[in-house]
Amino acid sequence: GQQVMQIPQYQHVQEGEDFTTYCNSSTTLSNIQWYKQRPGGHPVFLIQLVKSGEVKKQKRLTFQFGEAKKNSSLHITATQTTDVGTYFCAGGWSGTYKYIFGTGTRLKVLA
Amino acid sequence: EAQVTQNPRYLITVTGKKLTVTCSQNMNHEYMSWYRQDPGLGLRQIYYSMNVEVTDKGDVPEGYKVSRKEKRNFPLILESPSPNQTSLYFCASNLGGKGTEAFFGQGTRLTVV
Repeated sequence: GQQVMQIPQYQHVQEGEDFTTYCNSSTTLSNIQWYKQRPGGHPVFLIQLVKSGEVKKQKRLTFQFGEAKKNSSLHITATQTTDVGTYFCAGGWSGTYKYIFGTGTRLKVLA
Repeated sequence: EAQVTQNPRYLITVTGKKLTVTCSQNMNHEYMSWYRQDPGLGLRQIYYSMNVEVTDKGDVPEGYKVSRKEKRNFPLILESPSPNQTSLYFCASNLGGKGTEAFFGQGTRLTVV
C-alpha cells in the first residue's frame, strides 16, 4: 500500500543552525505538500511541489522534490525560535484526491 | 474570513456514550475529511467526502461514522466511543481536485474514559 515515511521524528537545534526533514514514499507521487503545525495549533499549508526535481524557496525555507518523485525535503537555513513546530509532508497520487501524511518532524529551537 | 470550524474544542466522555463532533466550512469547498493525530503516528485519515452525499473510508475508519448532507457540514460521529479513540481530531477541507491545499480546523481533543 501507499506509505509516506518522514525522518527524523524529532530534531533539536541551536538557534541559527540549519534544519532538514526528509520525506519518502513507497511509490511514485503525483505531488507533495508540506504543512507546519505550531505547538497547540493546527496544520497550516506551506507549499506544494509537482514537478520532478522541483525546488521552491520561501525566505529561509527550501523545498525539493526528487527526480523520481518518491522523496522530498524541507530545509530551513539559520533557524529562528519562530520555526518551532511540527513539519508534515503529505503525498498525493494520480487517480485519487487522497493525501497521506508523513509522521511529522518535531523541531525545537534552543535560543 | 475563510475558515473551518470544529466543535467542541475539548471533550471528555465515557465509554459507550454516543457523541458528535461538528465541522463546518465557509469556503464552498467540495472535499472534506477527518483526521486523527496521535503521537508518533502523524495525521491519519478517518473518512473523507468528495461532495454532498459522497463519503468514503480513509485509513482508520473503524468506530467512526460521517455524513455529508450539506456542502458546508461534515460531522464525525462516534456511536460507541472507546478509550482507544482518545485522540486529537482535525477536520479539513479543500477545493477539490488534485493539488489544492487543505484548510484545517482548530482541532478537537477527545478523551474517552
